[in-house]
Amino acid sequence: EVQLLESGGDLVQPGGSLRLSCAASGFTFNNYPMSWVRQAPGKGLEWVSAISESGSNTFYADSVRGRFTVTRDNSKNTLYLQMNSLRAEDTALYYCAKWVGSGIPNPFDYWGQGTLVTVSS
Amino acid sequence: DIQMTQSPSSVSASVGDRVTITCRASQGISSWLIWYQQKPGKAPKLLIYTASSLQSGVPSRFSGSGSGTDFTLTISSLQPEDFATYYCQQANSLPLTFGGGTKVEIK
Repeated sequence: EVQLLESGGDLVQPGGSLRLSCAASGFTFNNYPMSWVRQAPGKGLEWVSAISESGSNTFYADSVRGRFTVTRDNSKNTLYLQMNSLRAEDTALYYCAKWVGSGIPNPFDYWGQGTLVTVSS
Repeated sequence: DIQMTQSPSSVSASVGDRVTITCRASQGISSWLIWYQQKPGKAPKLLIYTASSLQSGVPSRFSGSGSGTDFTLTISSLQPEDFATYYCQQANSLPLTFGGGTKVEIK
C-alpha cells in the first residue's frame, strides 16, 4: 500500500525557516518524480515544487522560487522541502504527491495527508 | 502560466441530480486535464485524467469530456458521498495550475 507521510509543519515567525519531510513507502520511490502542493486555509490547491526521480532536476512556482528548495534522499525514501524567508502568505497545508509514471502530463495518484505550516508573529 | 477557470464556484444539488462542472484553460492544453475530488479534512483524490479517462475504482457515474480549452466533469446521478469540492488541473506544462474549485453542496 502506497503511503506518504508528511511532517515538519509548525508555527514559525515571518522570515523564519522550516524543513518539511515526506516519508514514502509501498512503492519504488526512486522510480517516480515527486511534488509538493499546498492549500491555504479555506482556499484552493497551489502547486509549489517538483523534483525528478534522481533529484537532478527541480522546478518551482514563481511564488517560492529562490526561497524554497526541494530535495530527496532515495536511500531513505524521503522527500524534503526546505523553506526559507517564510511569509504570511506561505501559511498552508503542505501535501506531498506522487506522480503517475514519469511526471507531466500524468496526474498525481497518491497524496499525503499534509502538514500545516503557519507563518505568524 | 496557464490559468484555469472553473464554474460554478458552488452548486446546490439533490441526491439523484445530474451535475456538470466546467473548466476553461487560458490556452490550449490538448487533453491534459485532470479532475480531483476533495472532501473536508482529506487530501485530494484522483477522479479523471487525460480529460476523460476514469481512474481505477472511481464510479462510472463520473465522466469527463473536452479538449483544447473547454472541459466538463459530469456526475450523472449525485450520491451522498459525492458532496465535496472538485478541482481541475492542467497537466500540459509547468507550473501546474488548478482551477479555483467547485463545491457541491446538499440542496
